[in-house]
Amino acid sequence: QKEVEQDPGPLSVPEGAIVSLNCTYSNSAFQYFMWYRQYSRKGPELLMYTYSSGNKEDGRFTAQVDKSSKYISLFIRDSQPSDSATYLCAMSGGAGGTSYGKLTFGQGTILTVHP
Amino acid sequence: DGGITQSPKYLFRKEGQNVTLSCEQNLNHDAMYWYRQDPGQGLRLIYYSQIVNDFQKGDIAEGYSVSREKKESFPLTVTSAQKNPTAFYLCASRTGQGNYGYTFGSGTRLTVV
Repeated sequence: QKEVEQDPGPLSVPEGAIVSLNCTYSNSAFQYFMWYRQYSRKGPELLMYTYSSGNKEDGRFTAQVDKSSKYISLFIRDSQPSDSATYLCAMSGGAGGTSYGKLTFGQGTILTVHP
Repeated sequence: DGGITQSPKYLFRKEGQNVTLSCEQNLNHDAMYWYRQDPGQGLRLIYYSQIVNDFQKGDIAEGYSVSREKKESFPLTVTSAQKNPTAFYLCASRTGQGNYGYTFGSGTRLTVV
């Protein structure tokens, strides 16, 4: 079983739809949770960063972390064709842990937003 | 502008050859990482370095080697012992000051011919 599981999709939605992307994980030491967006043949770019449980909002993007369920989500409101990309969840443990500073990634979800 | 530069963008390797992928950063970041990306498998950690002259194996280090002689540079050598080297290779760095977000380079696509 992988430490981080992410549905690879692909996911195809119409423009304006609300998109929900999810990851589950098994390592209870993870405390830092991130979402990266990767356009084709490019390096990933950091989209959202959350520490511990809770919600974080940035424009059309909302990240949620539920540590009790070991479940994180990224919501995209009013999706646009420019949101078409691969979305990767990533997580890391706290200082002193074996996963300190190292990110463990999900498989990535391919999202297409069509006009 | 600060960032990470990976070169070359595309690289072709013949069977039995060693090739070296370059990664340079001017962000003054302490830690640097090499990941391999294959379709449907996400990113897998090859090697990482927290400080100069020190590095550790990641999850799939076999057939790869690295060096960290300078803070700015973390080259990756794909040796002939790596049986399936065709992949997209990503270099990343982060500050060691508690910020866990990585900055990635634009990647190198390696193909065995």
